[in-house]
Amino acid sequence: EVQLVESGGGLVQPGGSLRLSCAASGFTFSSQWMSWARQRPGKGLEWVANIKRDGSEKNYVDSVKGRFTISRDNAKNSLYLQMNSLRAEDTAMYYCACGGWFDYWGQGTLVAVSS
Amino acid sequence: DIQMTQSPFSLSASVGDRVTITCRASQGIRNDLGWFQQPPGKAPKRLIYAASSLQSGVPSRFSGSGSGTEFTLTISSLQPEDFAAYYCLQYNSYPFTFGQGTKLEIK
Repeated sequence: EVQLVESGGGLVQPGGSLRLSCAASGFTFSSQWMSWARQRPGKGLEWVANIKRDGSEKNYVDSVKGRFTISRDNAKNSLYLQMNSLRAEDTAMYYCACGGWFDYWGQGTLVAVSS
Repeated sequence: DIQMTQSPFSLSASVGDRVTITCRASQGIRNDLGWFQQPPGKAPKRLIYAASSLQSGVPSRFSGSGSGTEFTLTISSLQPEDFAAYYCLQYNSYPFTFGQGTKLEIK
């Protein structure tokens, strides 16, 4: 059974940083593209970033380019999202997903950016 | 960026009804489209990929169709657990984009 467990969310001040993690199990992690999406409170879904199987290709939505970095550790079956220069509009539930096309989703971790 | 226009924004229906949700892409995306269900307070779950392929474990009352710019998700006979939000996602080109969502409510 595919399991994706996000962690690392919390309350942070504007301009601050957070690192989200996603622990994966139940599939061959190194064989799958991995993705992050987010959902602002009461709003729809937004694609954030994805990363190729070996980490050699990364793609981002424009609003996070230069501030967020997606990475992975295939030896640890883990996906990460380093978020710097956080803004109020980054407040959202962040989901990791297996596959470049969001085959399976985790339960999410909540990020709140506020002073 | 490719815009995905989803309709309707909300829909009221009864158990047993047949419902259809539509997504229109601002440019052709072949069949690079998925459909997702999100129950209230829960994570999304993929129902359909490649426009018409049913995700493993998803009931056969769900079906998808379309190619190019027009896509539909059909639920043939609504069950109580189907009342949720539904989203389409295009993955033809970056940035990937979701539709605005359709909230399916009980009439």
